[in-house]
Amino acid sequence: DGGITQSPKYLFRKEGQNVTLSCEQNLNHDAMYWYRQDPGQGLRLIYYSQIVNDFQKGDIAEGYSVSREKKESFPLTVTSAQKNPTAFYLCASTPTGHMNTEAFFGQGTRLTVV
Amino acid sequence: GDSVTQMEGPVTLSEEAFLTINCTYTATGYPSLFWYVQYPGEGLQLLLKATKADDKGSNKGFEATYRKETTSFHLEKGSVQVSDSAVYFCALSDPNRGSTLGRLYFGRGTQLTVWP
Repeated sequence: DGGITQSPKYLFRKEGQNVTLSCEQNLNHDAMYWYRQDPGQGLRLIYYSQIVNDFQKGDIAEGYSVSREKKESFPLTVTSAQKNPTAFYLCASTPTGHMNTEAFFGQGTRLTVV
Repeated sequence: GDSVTQMEGPVTLSEEAFLTINCTYTATGYPSLFWYVQYPGEGLQLLLKATKADDKGSNKGFEATYRKETTSFHLEKGSVQVSDSAVYFCALSDPNRGSTLGRLYFGRGTQLTVWP
């Protein structure tokens, strides 16, 4: 079955550590996105990528980094520069070039700073 | 810029009650509009969508009509069930926003709880 897989489901980070969240898709979609979800704030865009080896900052990119070396994979690194990383992180994908696209979401990773 | 405003929650209803969740939007062009649903601990799933004015999206008994004159896309269901308990997000995708064609702008979400 086609879909998006995020791992791990739960992640704990100590202060000052970098952690990487995995996102893999087998939908053959060109575009991939990372959103952050906080209670009562909806979803905010961190980074997006429309093609391999290219990505752009979203609305809240500070303290995060990404790479897009393969079409199927779009990992997100939460660096120690991110001051408030505790949140639910969602990865999504869409087929590029389709204006009326449906976004497909992974199951999410809940990151907690301990 | 583009934005979505939706009704603040939480919304608590008895089973078989009528549901309305209000959503209004601001966009530069003619966006596509979506309702996504999130069940506890999960990602988002598309519930319904509409791509042009006066279109009605529908799925699983939910409906929403794209009203350009009032820039609204209110979600309705005639008779809710306990299994409808979830968080509902209104979203838009604006084709006039250049390179981020698939990018979604979300409302803050509305928590719905349905009691038996």
